Amino acid sequence: QKEVEQNSGPLSVPEGAIASLNCTYSDRGSQSFFWYRQYSGKSPELIMFIYSNGDKEDGRFTAQLNKASQYVSLLIRDSQPSDSATYLCAVKKVTGNQFYFGTGTSLTVIP
Amino acid sequence: DAGITQSPRHKVTETGTPVTLRCHQTENHRYMYWYRQDPGHGLRLIHYSYGVKDTDKGEVSDGYSVSRSKTEDFLLTLESATSSQTSVYFCAISDLDRGPRGYTFGSGTRLTVV
Repeated sequence: QKEVEQNSGPLSVPEGAIASLNCTYSDRGSQSFFWYRQYSGKSPELIMFIYSNGDKEDGRFTAQLNKASQYVSLLIRDSQPSDSATYLCAVKKVTGNQFYFGTGTSLTVIP
Repeated sequence: DAGITQSPRHKVTETGTPVTLRCHQTENHRYMYWYRQDPGHGLRLIHYSYGVKDTDKGEVSDGYSVSRSKTEDFLLTLESATSSQTSVYFCAISDLDRGPRGYTFGSGTRLTVV
């Protein structure tokens, strides 16, 4: 079983819509959760992290964490063509010094 | 951008030759990581370091070695390159001593083994 699972997509949404990206993780002891955006040919860049159950908002982005269901999501409101990228979910466990990544979800925002 | 650079950015090498990739940081972070990224597999950890001369293996460490003689430099060596090691390699740093913060990635090295 993979540590982190994401639907690879592709996910297509029209400009201005809400994009919803989902991630599940296998270890209940996971501590902190991260969303990265990766444009084609570029390196991943951190866009949000969340540690506690509930929602965390940052501009057009909202991260949602449900530890009971081992589920974390990223909502992008008012999606723009510039949001078209691959979104990577990453998880850090309580023990250990590494982060575990999903394979990413490809998002296309259609003008 | 955070102070992390990788070199070279691109490299083509022949099967059986040794190759060294360099990661240099100016952030004084204790934790440094080498990942490879391949279609369908995502980012997979090769090795990481938690201090000078302190390293540990990741999930895909076979055929790779690392060294960290200074806080700022983390070297990845492919001892005898194979075509299966054709990939994009990313270095990452993290300031875990201040809590579970995310990584900052370097720009990547695209390695082709022919």
